[in-house]
Amino acid sequence: EAEVAQSPRYKITEKSQAVAFWCDPISGHATLYWYRQILGQGPELLVQFQDESVVDDSQLPKDRFSAERLKGVDSTLKIQPAELGDSAMYLCASSLENDATYEQYFGPGTRLTVT
Amino acid sequence: RKEVEQDPGPFNVPEGATVAFNCTYSNSASQSFFWYRQDCRKEPKLLMSVYSSGNEDGRFTAQLNRASQYISLLIRDSKLSDSATYLCVVNGLTGTASKLTFGTGTRLQVTL
Repeated sequence: EAEVAQSPRYKITEKSQAVAFWCDPISGHATLYWYRQILGQGPELLVQFQDESVVDDSQLPKDRFSAERLKGVDSTLKIQPAELGDSAMYLCASSLENDATYEQYFGPGTRLTVT
Repeated sequence: RKEVEQDPGPFNVPEGATVAFNCTYSNSASQSFFWYRQDCRKEPKLLMSVYSSGNEDGRFTAQLNRASQYISLLIRDSKLSDSATYLCVVNGLTGTASKLTFGTGTRLQVTL
């Protein structure tokens, strides 16, 4: 069964350092999402791509976060500089199309700890 | 007010019990509704969609009340393997973009 791949699975970094996460969606999925999940809360959408274009990045803290999906396939989420409050699980999801009738499939996530 | 509100629990129930979770949402224009399940330190996975007419999948029944902006999930004959966090999810279409908003989740612990 096809899966969304993410790496690394765990990352520990010091505050003010740069960190990057990678996501490879299910083959053929046009829509890719990055979520942040703080412990005890539900996932919160950071950015949504349709192919290589950003559809929604209204919740992305653009002073320190950036995301790209240059060829419309895999994607990278970067934080620079990292802050203590960025400690969370970063989840990538993909769906066939940008439509509610299509299920979003989540990757295993990257657990970030900022010290 | 949060867009999607759930009782965080935890709900501790014995095996075989029936348990119900409730969820309310604030955006009356929301188009579709889901329950996701998330095991400890794992990614969320779709449990079931929620339809106005109500829908059932084995031991799980989901109901939607659009007038009250209320969603429920009923689990009958609870199993130990049902222990997880259940996330209420609402899709509020914005323009052409589909946007899922997650509740904080309700934690269920089924015990012997």
